[in-house]
Amino acid sequence: QQQVKQSPQSLIVQKGGISIINCAYENTAFDYFPWYQQFPGKGPALLIAIRPDVSEKKEGRFTISFNKSAKQFSLHIMDSQPGDSATYFCAGTGGTSYGKLTFGQGTILTVHP
Amino acid sequence: EAGVAQSPRYKIIEKRQSVAFWCNPISGHATLYWYQQILGQGPKLLIQFQNNGVVDDSQLPKDRFSAERLKGVDSTLKIQPAKLEDSAVYLCASSPPWQRTDTQYFGPGTRLTVL
Repeated sequence: QQQVKQSPQSLIVQKGGISIINCAYENTAFDYFPWYQQFPGKGPALLIAIRPDVSEKKEGRFTISFNKSAKQFSLHIMDSQPGDSATYFCAGTGGTSYGKLTFGQGTILTVHP
Repeated sequence: EAGVAQSPRYKIIEKRQSVAFWCNPISGHATLYWYQQILGQGPKLLIQFQNNGVVDDSQLPKDRFSAERLKGVDSTLKIQPAKLEDSAVYLCASSPPWQRTDTQYFGPGTRLTVL
């Protein structure tokens, strides 16, 4: 099964710091890479997404960096806030897997005040 | 706009019993997904519907799991008989038909505990 590998499993950051979560994918047919944010007791919610035709996408404090040749992408959260404390999942989809999101294992982010 | 609705939110059953989950997607969303999220893992797709037809059920354990989407709207996921390893959160998601953004909107999930 084509996988998406995510690291670290957990991350602790001080308020105002930068949170960085990394993902690597195997399926070269993937052409859409979303990040989802999940709070306890809630379903995942789309945070930001990127396609391989760009190397970076920024939305507010959230930035995705994408390296197509290395098959890696990462989420950067600038000026991390306690309200950002949640579980973050990267995912990939595309090609014959269109619509079928393959998720990473998740990263539990804790931002201390 | 109302979100994806799921019920029940919690269910506790004994192994070998049966259970059913219900999902009402966002109005107008043609594609509906059922995911299984085991504690500490990312969601795993079980089945994908396009309107009322199955697009992908390759990861659905068909000997015990079944799903249907009557009239292309609501959907039910059934487990019969349940096993201990079925303990998980079952997430329903939907996506609109008019844009190739692959954005999926998730419901709050049903947490199943099998004892």
